[in-house]
Amino acid sequence: KQEVTQIPAALSVPEGENLVLNCSFTDSAIYNLQWFRQDPGKGLTSLLLIQSSQREQTSGRLNASLDKSSGRSTLYIAASQPGDSATYLCAVRLVSNQFYFGTGTSLTVIP
Amino acid sequence: NAGVTQTPKFQVLKTGQSMTLQCAQDMNHEYMSWYRQDPGMGLRLIHYSVGAGITDQGEVPNGYNVSRSTTEDFPLRLLSAAPSQTSVYFCASSYSRTGGRNQPQHFGDGTRLSIL
Repeated sequence: KQEVTQIPAALSVPEGENLVLNCSFTDSAIYNLQWFRQDPGKGLTSLLLIQSSQREQTSGRLNASLDKSSGRSTLYIAASQPGDSATYLCAVRLVSNQFYFGTGTSLTVIP
Repeated sequence: NAGVTQTPKFQVLKTGQSMTLQCAQDMNHEYMSWYRQDPGMGLRLIHYSVGAGITDQGEVPNGYNVSRSTTEDFPLRLLSAAPSQTSVYFCASSYSRTGGRNQPQHFGDGTRLSIL
């Protein structure tokens, strides 16, 4: 069974700092990996999707990398802002169309 | 664009009652799924569907039924509610055919369900 782990569970940083969130998965036979943002009481918003054949994807201040062979992905957030405060989740999609989610990293950016 | 719409947003049930959580999407996505989100456990897949007439079990299917009669709708039924089913339920949709699988999943805003 695929297991997805996110470390740290919570992170607090001052505004302007660059930060890295980590995601690891046990089975490298994935179709893609997706990073989401979840605000309190809300649904999930897709941030970046990395196909299994890709190494990284970028969108604005966000950069996600994927090392499928080692079962790891990172989400890099540059020049963090208070509006970045949220929970960030990663999810892997298997060829079978099943998805497995990590438990998330709760990020607080202090003004 | 409506995207993925879930109803109701909140519901309180008594143990043993039944109810249906509704999910509809207007993006012509083949794939639809239901998750539950519990503190410390992340999102867990309950059931999913890759098209009308096709459903399959996810990680935690017990106590839940689904059907997919149209592309747009994917209702989740609780047959006899139990306190362990207190959770936040999310519906999601995406493409599922080759090539479309590398498009992101879209989520509804969730249904907060309490079973007393």
